[in-house]
Amino acid sequence: DAGVTQSPTHLIKTRGQQVTLRCSPKSGHDTVSWYQQALGQGPQFIFQYYEEEERQRGNFPDRFSGHQFPNYSSELNVNALLLGDSALYLCASSPTKGRNTQYFGPGTRLTVL
Amino acid sequence: GEDVEQSLFLSVREGDSSVINCTYTDSSSTYLYWYKQEPGAGLQLLTYIFSNMDMKQDQRLTVLLNKKDKHLSLRIADTQTGDSAIYFCAEKRPSGNTPLVFGKGTRLSVIA
Repeated sequence: DAGVTQSPTHLIKTRGQQVTLRCSPKSGHDTVSWYQQALGQGPQFIFQYYEEEERQRGNFPDRFSGHQFPNYSSELNVNALLLGDSALYLCASSPTKGRNTQYFGPGTRLTVL
Repeated sequence: GEDVEQSLFLSVREGDSSVINCTYTDSSSTYLYWYKQEPGAGLQLLTYIFSNMDMKQDQRLTVLLNKKDKHLSLRIADTQTGDSAIYFCAEKRPSGNTPLVFGKGTRLSVIA
């Protein structure tokens, strides 16, 4: 049973560019949450998707947007990248009836130069 | 305050017990979690406790919850070098699909 998978593993972009990160949830999970983990910090919640809609959003600007597909996979898009967007981006999935338990993927390390 | 707080560093000798402490913010939080993060990796769910419990034991791991003081601890018995990692405490506040709120993590170093 594959766990949560994310792609790519690493990514280097320059300021002003746009980036798309991808996440496939654990089998049987339909809810996907995205977190940003800056160096030396704990993960910060970006947003959560369920039934292809954004259900909850953390304190992140509109440059951060997402999408969930019918197969429950999800994308995180960040526009107009800033140096401060450099971080590990983590995807977590949870099942509908066990939404209290979130399982994390390995993350995508984004570096903005 | 608004933050989940943890001490940043802990160093123990191999074979000793480790105790990692956390203070959370919301007395109505429903679930409290411990995650482990190894270098360059994502977060691994170690264990969690429901807020109406005082203690939960799972093999070498023991979680203690003091709701009155909003204090959570993780005890690792017989600590091994493979336990060296960053440990994050997280709370889930009530009201539907609320996200997890994490502390900054405690870096555990195990000395052989």
